[in-house]
Amino acid sequence: GDSVVQTEGQVLPSEGDSLIVNCSYETTQYPSLFWYVQYPGEGPQLHLKAMKANDKGRNKGFEAMYRKETTSFHLEKDSVQESDSAVYFCALSGSNDMRFGAGTRLTVKP
Amino acid sequence: DGGITQSPKYLFRKEGQNVTLSCEQNLNHDAMYWYRQDPGQGLRLIYYSQIVNDFQKGDIAEGYSVSREKKESFPLTVTSAQKNPTAFYLCASSILGQAYSNQPQHFGDGTRLSIL
Repeated sequence: GDSVVQTEGQVLPSEGDSLIVNCSYETTQYPSLFWYVQYPGEGPQLHLKAMKANDKGRNKGFEAMYRKETTSFHLEKDSVQESDSAVYFCALSGSNDMRFGAGTRLTVKP
Repeated sequence: DGGITQSPKYLFRKEGQNVTLSCEQNLNHDAMYWYRQDPGQGLRLIYYSQIVNDFQKGDIAEGYSVSREKKESFPLTVTSAQKNPTAFYLCASSILGQAYSNQPQHFGDGTRLSIL
C-alpha cells in the first residue's frame, strides 16, 4: 500500500538557519502531495501542495518540489523564523484516501 | 465562513462507556473522514464516508462506529470495545469527483478524549 516516511522526528534550527525536512513516499498511483502544519491544540492546516510531478508548492517562504524520480517531497526554507515552530506532516493523496507521515516537530530557537 | 466543527473539544470517558464525538461541515464536501492521532505516530484512518448512508473501515476501525445520515454530519462513537481510546481525534472532509481528484482534506480542530 501507499506510505509516507519522514525521517526526522524533531529538528531544532536557530532563527535564520536554512531548513530541509525530508519526506519520501511509496505508491503505485499518481498521487498529489501535501505538507500540512499543525499548531498546538488545533487540527492540521494545508500548508502547500503539488498536484503532479515537477510541480513546486510554495507558501510563506517554504517550498517543496514533487520529484517522481526520487519519490521525494522535501520541505525547504532559506531562513526559518520562530513563528514557523509547529509540527509538519507530509501527506500523499491517492484515489481513495490520504496517507500521512509521522510528522516532524520544528522548534526554532530564538 | 465554511469549515468543520468538532465538539466537544475535551471529552472524558469512564470504563465501559460509549461516547460520541460530533463532526459537522458546511463546506458541501462529499467525503468525510475520522483520524486518530497519537504522539509520534501521525494520523491513522479510522473510518471514511464518500456518500450519505455509506462508509468504509480504515486502518484501525475496531472499537469504533460511525453513521452518515446527512451530508454535513459524520459522528464517531468510541465504544467500550476500544481498550485504549485516549487520543486526539480529528475529523476531515474533502471534495470528490473526477474533476477534483486527489484534493486535499480540510480538518477540524479535534476532540481530545481521555479515560477517567
